[in-house]
Amino acid sequence: GQSLEQPSEVTAVEGAIVQINCTYQTSGFYGLSWYQQHDGGAPTFLSYNALDGLEETGRFSSFLSRSDSYGYLLLQELQMKDSASYFCAVRTSRGGGFKTIFGAGTRLFVKA
Amino acid sequence: DGGITQSPKYLFRKEGQNVTLSCEQNLNHDAMYWYRQDPGQGLRLIYYSQIVNDFQKGDIAEGYSVSREKKESFPLTVTSAQKNPTAFYLCASSRGTGDSGANVLTFGAGSRLTVL
Repeated sequence: GQSLEQPSEVTAVEGAIVQINCTYQTSGFYGLSWYQQHDGGAPTFLSYNALDGLEETGRFSSFLSRSDSYGYLLLQELQMKDSASYFCAVRTSRGGGFKTIFGAGTRLFVKA
Repeated sequence: DGGITQSPKYLFRKEGQNVTLSCEQNLNHDAMYWYRQDPGQGLRLIYYSQIVNDFQKGDIAEGYSVSREKKESFPLTVTSAQKNPTAFYLCASSRGTGDSGANVLTFGAGSRLTVL
C-alpha cells in the first residue's frame, strides 16, 4: 500500500527555523510535494521535488532523498502567518494514471 | 482570473439523500481530483480523472460517484451508501502529465457537507 508519515504538531518561535520531516512508502513514486493549508482554507502548493537534493523558494526549502524515501520542508525566518498545516504528498503512477496522495499533515504553531 | 469554482460552499443533507457537489475549472487543466478532509486529518483521494470520459477510483471511492463529460467539469455525487458523509470536500486540478506543471495541484475553496 501507500503511506506517508509526518509529525502531527510542531511549535517554533517567530524568526526561528523549523524542519518538517516526511517519510513515505509507495510504489510508482514520481515526486514529493508540499502544501500549506490555513484553517478553513484550501491547500496551496509550496514545492515539488522529483530528484534528490534541495529546492529553495524564498524562505521555504524542500529536500528529497529517494533512496531513503524521505523528505523535509524547511521554513526559515518564521512569521506568525506561517502558522498553518503542512502536508507532504507523493505523486505516483500505479495503473490508472498519475495521482497525488497526501499525508495526515503537520500543524505548525508559531509563537511570538 | 483562472481558477476552480466549487459549489455550494455549505450543504446540509438528510440521511438517505444523494447530493451532488459541483466543480468547474477554467484553467484548461486535463486532470481533476476529488479529496475528502475530516477535521484535523489529511486529504484522502476519492476519485480522479486524467481525461474527459475517463476516471479512476481513489482510496475511498465507496459511496461516491463522478462523471467527466466535459474537460471543465468534474461533479461528485455523495450517495446514500456513503456511511459517514459529513466532511470537507476539495476539488483540485492539474495540467495532467508530461511536464513539471502536472505536479502542481490547484484547489477550489471546498464544499462543507453536513448530514443531519
